[in-house]
Amino acid sequence: DAKTTQPPSMDCAEGRAANLPCNHSTISGNEYVYWYRQIHSQGPQYIIHGLKNNETNEMASLIITEDRKSSTLILPHATLRDTAVYYCIVRVLISSGSARQLTFGSGTQLTVLP
Amino acid sequence: DGGITQSPKYLFRKEGQNVTLSCEQNLNHDAMYWYRQDPGQGLRLIYYSQIVNDFQKGDIAEGYSVSREKKESFPLTVTSAQKNPTAFYLCASSGNEQFFGPGTRLTVL
Repeated sequence: DAKTTQPPSMDCAEGRAANLPCNHSTISGNEYVYWYRQIHSQGPQYIIHGLKNNETNEMASLIITEDRKSSTLILPHATLRDTAVYYCIVRVLISSGSARQLTFGSGTQLTVLP
Repeated sequence: DGGITQSPKYLFRKEGQNVTLSCEQNLNHDAMYWYRQDPGQGLRLIYYSQIVNDFQKGDIAEGYSVSREKKESFPLTVTSAQKNPTAFYLCASSGNEQFFGPGTRLTVL
């Protein structure tokens, strides 16, 4: 799995958009970008994943650059409950037939401020 | 309500005792996993199972054992051979995404 680099911490004002960057310059053509978050003392929560097109769901948007060497997770209207560690993971598509671990790095501690 | 359940949420163990952590999923996933997380660190893989009656060691399997007799269940036993078992234990399963349970915090007294 390709290595990812994330800033260790970020702050965001409540109600504003939170933009979390991730660098993955060694990503391979068949590797996807996955985002998870972990609220203190809870299990990681899946947020979104994408290959090369921008993706949006009810939680967030994922913007992947054209060269796929970096991406940004956007939480459009951050709330206090979004305070968590956010992990960017690059790996081949997770599928039911291929049991492989997810490699979590240090992630970004996002703190949403009132 | 689909998902992964782990029990108990908190577990205390005396040194020298074996304990079993429960993990159940109703997502109809074939693959299941056990991870360990220490304070301020990422997740490390203990064991994983791709299908019933089959499982493989992860990066830190020593002192742990698992079974996979049913698709829905993947219990983890922390044996007395595990030298530093105090940690947060996470169970996961995967279909097209990997989902995690709420975790069990094990403390050895």
